Amino acid sequence: DQQVKQNSPSLSVQEGRISILNCDYTNSMFDYFLWYKKYPAEGPTFLISISSIKDKNEDGRFTVFLNKSAKHLSLHIVPSQPGDSAVYFCAPQIQGAQKLVFGQGTRLTINP
Amino acid sequence: DAMVIQNPRYQVTQFGKPVTLSCSQTLNHNVMYWYQQKSSQAPKLLFHYYDKDFNNEADTPDNFQSRRPNTSFCFLDIRSPGLGDAAMYLCATSPRTGGTSYEQYFGPGTRLTVT
Repeated sequence: DQQVKQNSPSLSVQEGRISILNCDYTNSMFDYFLWYKKYPAEGPTFLISISSIKDKNEDGRFTVFLNKSAKHLSLHIVPSQPGDSAVYFCAPQIQGAQKLVFGQGTRLTINP
Repeated sequence: DAMVIQNPRYQVTQFGKPVTLSCSQTLNHNVMYWYQQKSSQAPKLLFHYYDKDFNNEADTPDNFQSRRPNTSFCFLDIRSPGLGDAAMYLCATSPRTGGTSYEQYFGPGTRLTVT
């Protein structure tokens, strides 16, 4: 039973445009949502997070939106840069459970 | 720089030959995790240590064991590797949560090949 789904395995965006990565979840106990970025041959690195008490969190070019009623979150990157080309994982957490549940990832490619 | 280190980065073992992967951290975090990631799949949690308390995931095969001799080090032992155990193994750390959520910090991973 897949609790976290990133339905787009890949996404290609032109440099300077907006990248939107989506994530859907089924477990209503998730209360903290993290996005990780992974380059080849490296471990995932934390990018941005959002608590379930918020619907938006912004950090520079990165913004995460959370729609709890729809159990959906999205990561917006604007403007997209070539260095943003990576695999992005959505990883929700249940408070206090100390465990992340990863989606399968979306491979983002930024074209010059 | 504080970090999570995994050795070796690449490991080749023979079918059925025990292998140990190691992870060390300079972050002084209480919690250490081991994940398995197969190609194009989500990282899958195998187990984690909360200080010295070991927490196994229900679907982690018995073939996988772990040791944490001190705060800084954690080992993943695969007793009899099969071809299906070829994967990237990721170690991660996190501070004690105490009810608050913290992000996990990942090492670069060890890619295991089973021949």
